[in-house]
Amino acid sequence: GESVGLHLPTLSVQEGDNSIINCAYSNSASDYFIWYKQESGKGPQFIIDIRSNMDKRQGQRVTVLLNKTVKHLSLQIAATQPGDSAVYFCAETDSGSARQLTFGSGTQLTVLP
Amino acid sequence: EPEVTQTPSHQVTQMGQEVILRCVPISNHLYFYWYRQILGQKVEFLVSFYNNEISEKSEIFDDQFSVERPDGSNFTLKIRSTKLEDSAMYFCASSVYLAGGGEQFFGPGTRLTVL
Repeated sequence: GESVGLHLPTLSVQEGDNSIINCAYSNSASDYFIWYKQESGKGPQFIIDIRSNMDKRQGQRVTVLLNKTVKHLSLQIAATQPGDSAVYFCAETDSGSARQLTFGSGTQLTVLP
Repeated sequence: EPEVTQTPSHQVTQMGQEVILRCVPISNHLYFYWYRQILGQKVEFLVSFYNNEISEKSEIFDDQFSVERPDGSNFTLKIRSTKLEDSAMYFCASSVYLAGGGEQFFGPGTRLTVL
């Protein structure tokens, strides 16, 4: 079946630098994408979402970029802080199967002091 | 801020035993979900539930699994005869709308250990 996956399993950045986490998806029917953050021992926490009719969406310190041509999604975190250290998952769904999220395998972000 | 709660936080059981994992979704949400995450792996969809019936289920959600909304607040996942490979974190989630229409809020999870 089609799946969502991440390019890099780990990412280390210096505190204050910007972080970019990437995600590739293969289901061309996907039209809704979400980034989740998961801290150790906790459930996934919503960060930001984007629909397929957009290519960029900004939140507080976070930006999601969507490139439908190459089926690529990225999460940019500005001025990364120690509290940003976590596993980041992208997830996708399509309106035809609009009740389940398909998650990628996750990227461990470590913020170095 | 409203949140999804789950009990217990950790459940240890013997292989072949039945377990019931409990969730209290956010009160005004209409759609409910169970996901699982085997240690070190990605989160996997199990089942979605709306209007007192299953909306979708994955291949993982076989006849050993069932869900129920026994009252106006609880949403349960039952595993009838647990297997070693059922050991995982189980997350409940809820949303106001369908997944494609808005955010799913996740609970903290129940860690199930099958011995």
